[in-house]
Amino acid sequence: EIVLTQSPGTLSLSPGERATLSCRASQSVSSGFLAWYQQKPGQAPRLLIYGTISRATGIPDRFSGSGSGTEFTLSISRLEPEDFAVYYCQQFVSSITFGQGTRLEIK
Amino acid sequence: EVQLLESGGGLVQPGGSLRLSCTASGFTFSNYAMTWVRQAAGKGLEWVSAISDRGDSTYHADSVEGRFTISRDNSRNTLYLQMNSLRADDTGRYYCAKGSDRVVTAPINHWGQGTLVTVSS
Repeated sequence: EIVLTQSPGTLSLSPGERATLSCRASQSVSSGFLAWYQQKPGQAPRLLIYGTISRATGIPDRFSGSGSGTEFTLSISRLEPEDFAVYYCQQFVSSITFGQGTRLEIK
Repeated sequence: EVQLLESGGGLVQPGGSLRLSCTASGFTFSNYAMTWVRQAAGKGLEWVSAISDRGDSTYHADSVEGRFTISRDNSRNTLYLQMNSLRADDTGRYYCAKGSDRVVTAPINHWGQGTLVTVSS
């Protein structure tokens, strides 16, 4: 099973700042098989990024993904109030697993 | 508009069984893989089971293998999760989710609101 480890566990930033979230895989993940999701309290998750770098429908361009192999990153260029949420990475190259999540909170 | 409506959750005793259903609308159900994902209160997402578009390929997490069975009825646009030998650590919200392709090795692009399962005596 591929284990995904996200860091940091909690990220405290202010609106307008840049956020960088990390997802490290225990084995190499093909770039087409890595996605990111956002979840707000009381809501279902929402797909943000698929194939490591592609934004899902309706996702603003301040969200971007990058990475390869075992290291992947979700970046949010200028934080808006609605971006404060929990973010999960997911791989589906070998079975399906999620990272444990990064909570992005307002500083 | 894609809609996924889960039902069948509730309170069950340890060792008991429950069958979850997910009724889909707004897309051609038979063209997409489907997935169940669960989330314990205050915890992260855990993939549970997935099934291909025609139902000929199914996959389960190690934690539920041999106890849970995913299936689908494409004529009824409905996804199922049969859960047997339930344990306390199966407690959580169970989300029905639509894949973005016929195979399960694709991202999830739509989620239901979930149904709550509580395993307790």
